[in-house]
Amino acid sequence: AQRVTQPEKLLSVFKGAPVELKCNYSYSGSPELFWYVQYSRQRLQLLLRHISRESIKGFTADLNKGETSFHLKKPFAQEEDSAMYYCALHKGQGAQKLVFGQGTRLTINP
Amino acid sequence: NAGVMQNPRHLVRRRGQEARLRCSPMKGHSHVYWYRQLPEEGLKFMVYLQKENIIDESGMPKERFSAEFPKEGPSILRIQQVVRGDSAAYFCASSGGGVPEQYFGPGTRLTVT
Repeated sequence: AQRVTQPEKLLSVFKGAPVELKCNYSYSGSPELFWYVQYSRQRLQLLLRHISRESIKGFTADLNKGETSFHLKKPFAQEEDSAMYYCALHKGQGAQKLVFGQGTRLTINP
Repeated sequence: NAGVMQNPRHLVRRRGQEARLRCSPMKGHSHVYWYRQLPEEGLKFMVYLQKENIIDESGMPKERFSAEFPKEGPSILRIQQVVRGDSAAYFCASSGGGVPEQYFGPGTRLTVT
């Protein structure tokens, strides 16, 4: 069965400090991994997908198949980054369900 | 493009009543997914539908819950005889053309009193 683990429910860092939100997964196939973000009073929105290998809002995430991880990183946190972040796994074959982690609430302190 | 629409945004039901949650996918999307988020938990998959077909209902409770996506109109998640444990946020997502990216609606927060 597929599983996504985000070990930190809460993460608090100061503005300008580096941020790393951890995500580990278990799946025997070749998954696609995503990061979704939910800002206060807004809907869940797609932040990153590993396959595109892009940087969005300064965030990057690299899929490490050896460690089965997909950690989200940003070198310099900004106050507007405060939000709920969800890591999600897709089995990588067409249209299928997403398996979500429990989420990490990131707070950026001024 | 208004994105995925859900209504109502908030729904209060007494125990034993029925709850109907509606979802209109993004324009051009034919795949709809329903997820449930219990307090302090992540989103859990419930059901995946295409027009007039249930493709995967492996996350649906066996009783009282049903979903449909008719040829015309929104997708409906129906919960019969609601109980307190059904209180949660229910999110709908849609995707198009078999691609994995899903776009989410704002959710319906169901409260059972």
